[in-house]
Amino acid sequence: QQQVKQSPQSLIVQKGGISIINCAYENTAFDYFPWYQQFPGKGPALLIAIRPDVSEKKEGRFTISFNKSAKQFSLHIMDSQPGDSATYFCAARSGGAGSYQLTFGKGTKLSVIP
Amino acid sequence: DGGITQSPKYLFRKEGQNVTLSCEQNLNHDAMYWYRQDPGQGLRLIYYSQIVNDFQKGDIAEGYSVSREKKESFPLTVTSAQKNPTAFYLCASSIDRRGNDYGYTFGSGTRLTVV
Repeated sequence: QQQVKQSPQSLIVQKGGISIINCAYENTAFDYFPWYQQFPGKGPALLIAIRPDVSEKKEGRFTISFNKSAKQFSLHIMDSQPGDSATYFCAARSGGAGSYQLTFGKGTKLSVIP
Repeated sequence: DGGITQSPKYLFRKEGQNVTLSCEQNLNHDAMYWYRQDPGQGLRLIYYSQIVNDFQKGDIAEGYSVSREKKESFPLTVTSAQKNPTAFYLCASSIDRRGNDYGYTFGSGTRLTVV
């Protein structure tokens, strides 16, 4: 079974701190690793994504670190703000054109306290 | 603006009743998906469709049915056979060709409650 294991389940961070969410996978055929951000009552929105041939990708305060040999990737949120409080999902893509699918982690609920 | 529209936002179902959730996209995306979200369970795939008139079961298809008669539309029916249908349902779409790095676009969801 293709799985993506995400941790922690919940995270509380002080404003200005660094939030770190980790994901691990087994299937080496995964070829694309997006992160989604979801606010209560809304659908998830793509936040940032990385391909396995890149070790790090940064967009503003959000950084993905990717360790291909360990089959792990993580999301770092620098200078965390109360507006970042949301549920974050990591995902991994498998398949080929005509059959792509995303497998999602179970999510991390982030609370950034002032 | 392009996007995915799910309706209704809230839906109440009586025991033994079938209900249909609507999902429409104007992104010209090839593939469409239905996910169910429960607290602590993440997103679980119900059905997906890569092309018109074709769809595949996901991990939790029992008690659900879909159709894909038009590229833009992918309605989900929650049948009376689904014993625990109360959940948040999410529809998504994606470009389904090699080299796509855009991932999925999600709708705003439908919250279904059994009364």
